[in-house]
Amino acid sequence: GENVEQHPSTLSVQEGDSAVIKCTYSDSASNYFPWYKQELGKRPQLIIDIRSNVGEKKDQRIAVTLNKTAKHFSLHITETQPEDSAVYFCAASIKGGSEKLVFGKGTKLTVNP
Amino acid sequence: ETGVTQSPTHLIKTRGQQVTLRCSSQSGHNTVSWYQQALGQGPQFIFQYYREEENGRGNFPPRFSGLQFPNYSSELNVNALELDDSALYLCASSLDYSAIQYFGAGTRLSVL
Repeated sequence: GENVEQHPSTLSVQEGDSAVIKCTYSDSASNYFPWYKQELGKRPQLIIDIRSNVGEKKDQRIAVTLNKTAKHFSLHITETQPEDSAVYFCAASIKGGSEKLVFGKGTKLTVNP
Repeated sequence: ETGVTQSPTHLIKTRGQQVTLRCSSQSGHNTVSWYQQALGQGPQFIFQYYREEENGRGNFPPRFSGLQFPNYSSELNVNALELDDSALYLCASSLDYSAIQYFGAGTRLSVL
């Protein structure tokens, strides 16, 4: 069935280090892969996304890579800052009438000053 | 440009009751998707409304129902509440059922 697995579930890094979160998806027809950041008590915020016709996308300190063959994609955050601390969710689009998002279970990132 | 707004922010109900949650989509968006986020989990797709019609449904029972109005705002109704319905309910809006979705802050529902 439709499934997105996300690892690790928790990640702790020192300020200035890099953080990498990985996701795998099951539906080979998925063609859109967003990443959301959710701070405690706040809305999931779209921080970066990638479509299946692109292998990599970068926005300042954040980058996403996609390997369609292996059906996995990753979020890379460089030069982490304490305000990067949050729960990060990956998602994959599933078509079938509507274009819904299937989410991973989330990664709690803690950036220690 | 106004973002996605949801009401109420918190709600406490007892088992067996019915609840209605509300969502106003982002200005210019005509599609609303509803998600359930249990504690410590990722959001799970409930259903989507596009131009007042249901446009896809996830693995949720019929006691979860919805509406979309001509101004594209939406309601999520849950009948016969169960303890497991306790969760954060998120709505997300998009244009023309695009997967690029923007979320509201959610309604925290507690069922006692």
